[in-house]
Amino acid sequence: LAKTTQPISMDSYEGQEVNITCSHNNIATNDYITWYQQFPSQGPRFIIQGYKTKVTNEVASLFIPADRKSSTLSLPRVSLSDTAVYYCLVVRQTGANNLFFGTGTRLTVIP
Amino acid sequence: DVKVTQSSRYLVKRTGEKVFLECVQDMDHENMFWYRQDPGLGLRLIYFSYDVKMKEKGDIPEGYSVSREKKERFSLILESASTNQTSMYLCASSLGGQGIDTQYFGPGTRLTVL
Repeated sequence: LAKTTQPISMDSYEGQEVNITCSHNNIATNDYITWYQQFPSQGPRFIIQGYKTKVTNEVASLFIPADRKSSTLSLPRVSLSDTAVYYCLVVRQTGANNLFFGTGTRLTVIP
Repeated sequence: DVKVTQSSRYLVKRTGEKVFLECVQDMDHENMFWYRQDPGLGLRLIYFSYDVKMKEKGDIPEGYSVSREKKERFSLILESASTNQTSMYLCASSLGGQGIDTQYFGPGTRLTVL
C-alpha cells in the first residue's frame, strides 16, 4: 500500500477553515483515500473516504485531484473540539484491510 | 452504533508476566485488529483476524499472540511481558469483505510493564 506524507502539526484559530494536505505518490488504481480523527485518550474515528474529485459529509470535505497523488481534508469553521490528530490513509478496495497509520497531523485550534 | 470495548483502560504488569488484553465488538463484524500506538511512531498493526480461529500477522507480531474463539471476541496475549511492550493498545473491528470498510476502534488499553 502507498505510504502517505502529511504535516506533523498545524495551528488554527477558531472559526477558520483548515486544510490538511496528504501526499500519496504511489497510490494504485484500486486504492481509496481515508481520513481518521483521534482525540486524546480515545481510539481513531473514521471521518471521510473518497476515490476521486470531491466528497462531502457533515464533518468535512475531501478533495482529490485527477492524478490522485495527493488529497486535502477540509474542515470548515473549526472549533476547539476539533483539536485532534488527523490521519490520512490509503486503503485497498478489496482484501484484508490492513491499515497503515502514519504519525498523522496534530491540529491545535486556538481560541 | 458500533461498540468496541476493551477489558481495561489502564494495566500495570511486571516483566515476565503473561498478559491478556480482551476486545469485544457487538456488531457481528468479520474482521478484528490489534494495534499499538507509540509517540512518534503512529499506530502499528500487530495482528488481525478475518474469521473465527483465523489470524494474520501484521507489521510487528513479535512477542505477541492472539486468539479468536468467538466472532465477537479477539484477545491479544503477551506471553512474557517486557518493558518495551509498554504502550497504548487499540483494538478495532470492521464489517469485512471490503478493504475500504470503516474500522471502529475501542478506547484503548494503556499498558505499563515494570
